[in-house]
Amino acid sequence: GNSVTQMEGPVTLSEEAFLTINCTYTATGYPSLFWYVQYPGEGLQLLLKATKADDKGSNKGFEATYRKETTSFHLEKGSVQVSDSAVYFCALTNAGNNRKLIWGLGTSLAVNP
Amino acid sequence: NAGVTQTPKFQVLKTGQSMTLQCAQDMNHEYMSWYRQDPGMGLRLIHYSVGAGITDQGEVPNGYNVSRSTTEDFPLRLLSAAPSQTSVYFCASSYSASAETQYFGPGTRLLVL
Repeated sequence: GNSVTQMEGPVTLSEEAFLTINCTYTATGYPSLFWYVQYPGEGLQLLLKATKADDKGSNKGFEATYRKETTSFHLEKGSVQVSDSAVYFCALTNAGNNRKLIWGLGTSLAVNP
Repeated sequence: NAGVTQTPKFQVLKTGQSMTLQCAQDMNHEYMSWYRQDPGMGLRLIHYSVGAGITDQGEVPNGYNVSRSTTEDFPLRLLSAAPSQTSVYFCASSYSASAETQYFGPGTRLLVL
């Protein structure tokens, strides 16, 4: 079946550090991949997405590349800010599961000044 | 354009009480869904709707009821609250069931004593 595995948190970084949050997936066919972000006290919002192999999604300085050969979609940012403190969710949709979102468990990021 | 709105923001119930969590969207989205978010469990789909008059169960529907009489509104009813339903509930909507971006409300935090 379809599944998403994210690295466990919490992740704690200092401001301007490099961020990587690992995400791997299991799916048949060609899923679309997403990163959603949840800021404290808020709902989730789409951060970036990629719909085919080798696509790179980017937004707000974050990037993730759809790697079909390693079934991965790792989230990266070169220099994090305190305002990036949030929970990050990796997710996929697949035509084979009626395009319902399959979620990872989320990774909490805390950035200290 | 308010997006997805949810009320109330916070509610305390006693075991056995019933209540309705309200969700409304003003984007004319066909697809709406309810999730619950629990620590270590990620997001789990409770019920969803692909249009007015059409609803279906997600992965954790027991103890919850939904209806979709209009495109805008998708209330979630707890029939007889149990402590296991203590959670944060999110409503989400998208243009269609196959649309790849979902828009989330700010959430309702429910405590069942």
